[in-house]
Order: sequence, then structure tokens, then C-alpha cells
Amino acid sequence: EPEVTQTPSHQVTQMGQEVILRCVPISNHLYFYWYRQILGQKVEFLVSFYNNEISEKSEIFDDQFSVERPDGSNFTLKIRSTKLEDSAMYFCASSVEAGMLGTEAFFGQGTRLTVV
Amino acid sequence: AQKVTQAQTKISVVEKEDVTLDCVYETRDTTYYLFWYKQPPSGELVFLIRRNSFDEQNEISGRYSWNFQKSTSSFNFTITASQVVDSAVYFCALTPWGGGGNKLTFGTGTQLKVEL
Repeated sequence: EPEVTQTPSHQVTQMGQEVILRCVPISNHLYFYWYRQILGQKVEFLVSFYNNEISEKSEIFDDQFSVERPDGSNFTLKIRSTKLEDSAMYFCASSVEAGMLGTEAFFGQGTRLTVV
Repeated sequence: AQKVTQAQTKISVVEKEDVTLDCVYETRDTTYYLFWYKQPPSGELVFLIRRNSFDEQNEISGRYSWNFQKSTSSFNFTITASQVVDSAVYFCALTPWGGGGNKLTFGTGTQLKVEL
């Protein structure tokens, strides 16, 4: 069964460093998302991406964050200068459609980011 | 603004008991989608069900059933004859219907523990 794949599963980084989290969405999906979950808290929307541009972003997604689809398969989240409060599980998701035809988003297994 | 409330933080049951997880939502949208996701101890988010706001038929899938009541803005999830493998955190989520993107608003989750 097709699935969303995220790498790495766990990343430890020093405060102030840049990190790139990688995702391979399901191949025929057109909409891509990043969510995050701080330990023990709810899952929060960061950004959605369609047709090579951001379609919506939350207030969490500030200038420190960026997303990119560098080729036909990967979808990345970059955090430019990590802070301690960026420590969280980051989930990538994808869906075939959205909006009026809305289909469910399928999530990857997550990347646990620890900023020290 | 949208909001999803899962008032039950933790539930503990004995195997074979039935258990209902509550979900109450708030939205100004007249049409929307509701979802349930399961997060087992391994951390990934597993899609369980999607429900359109204009379809109030209850749904049953094996031991799982969902009761959607638009009049009370609730979308409750019942597991019949619970099993240890059902132990997980369960999230209810909401997204507007229409527009681009699948921006899910999640509840805080209910941690279900099924014991022998």
C-alpha cells in the first residue's frame, strides 16, 4: 500500500543550526502538508503546498520555516535557525484532492526533531 | 475560527469493554469534513474515517462506529469489544469544505488504554 515516507525518523540538532526534514509523498497526490506535534500536545497545522506554491500557512510558519519540492518526489521542510521550542514531531502528509473534492490526508510516520 | 474539543484526556478500559470517545467541534463553515485519526505508541497518524457535514448517517466499520450529530456538533467514536491493540491516542479533526488545502484542526486527543 502506498505510504508517505519521512526521513530521518529522529534528528538531533544544536540550537541555531539549520535542519531539513524530508518527505516523499504518495506518488499521485497533489497536495502536501506539514504538521507538528509538540510532545504530549495536539497536532498543529504548519503549511499546505499545491502546484509548487504555499496555499496556506499558520502563524507558526514564520520566516524561519520554508518548504520546497525540489524534484518530482521530495517535499522538504527547512528550519533556518532552530530554537529549543522547535523540538517536536514533524509530520508530512499528502492528499489526492482537497477542498470541495476533499480527500483524507495520509500522514508519514513523523520525524522527531530534538533541539539541544 | 475552528475548534475541536476532546474532553476525555485519558480513558482506561478492560479488554472486551465498549468505549466511546467524544468529540465536539465549533466552526462557522456550513460545510466541512470531520476525521478521526489513531496514533499508536509508534507515533504515526493513521487515518480512520472522514465524514462530510451534509451526511449524518452513522457509520460502522467492523468494531468501530461513528455517531455524527450536527445538531449538537458532535462526532463520537465507539469501539466495540475493545482489544489491547486499540491502545493509542485518538484524535478528532475538522477541515472546511471548499478552497484549497486540507488544513486540519485537531483536538487534543484522547489516550485510550485497553488492559487485559
